[in-house]
Amino acid sequence: DAGITQSPRHKVTETGTPVTLRCHQTENHRYMYWYRQDPGHGLRLIHYSYGVKDTDKGEVSDGYSVSRSKTEDFLLTLESATSSQTSVYFCAISGAGLDRGVTEAFFGQGTRLTVV
Amino acid sequence: AQSVSQHNHHVILSEAASLELGCNYSYGGTVNLFWYVQYPGQHLQLLLKYFSGDPLVKGIKGFEAEFIKSKFSFNLRKPSVQWSDTAEYFCAGGDKIIFGKGTRLHILP
Repeated sequence: DAGITQSPRHKVTETGTPVTLRCHQTENHRYMYWYRQDPGHGLRLIHYSYGVKDTDKGEVSDGYSVSRSKTEDFLLTLESATSSQTSVYFCAISGAGLDRGVTEAFFGQGTRLTVV
Repeated sequence: AQSVSQHNHHVILSEAASLELGCNYSYGGTVNLFWYVQYPGQHLQLLLKYFSGDPLVKGIKGFEAEFIKSKFSFNLRKPSVQWSDTAEYFCAGGDKIIFGKGTRLHILP
């Protein structure tokens, strides 16, 4: 498995509190992604990064922010958690192909977040 | 906008049956297409990938997929499924790696 570590693996938090999830990679891959997985919706892209300090919004970015100050770390922050953000969050990494945008993504183990 | 759609949300088959899961993509530019599998309680694992070249791609665990440019499709196939193939399957693609909603496959022993 690719060297991707997500922390924490499980978290329960209260509505209105800030929450930060961390993704750490040891593969020196350029691209990093945050997805959320919910039944019936598959994986939906929240934010992605194409380099240090270069990030962009995905399909469901409202209520989330990200930061990438180092190649190896990509942080996802819920500024004020809501119950609708209860989900499983996956981080992924991918490299840059020679003549294509990205190579395949490798996934972390996931973080189960419950907002009560 | 980039999008990936999967036709079948829930498929039930008996062991040894043949499998085909549909996937269509909608985006231009460089083609990057993937199929992933997720076993219960686990993270996603790559089954196969397509970037260019031979449109028939072989992956792990006996799976294959065919890229048909004219139909914007990348369907997943397996000639004979096993009980251990019970899982959720995701098609994905594009430079942002957008996912379809997934297909739950249940194999009856």
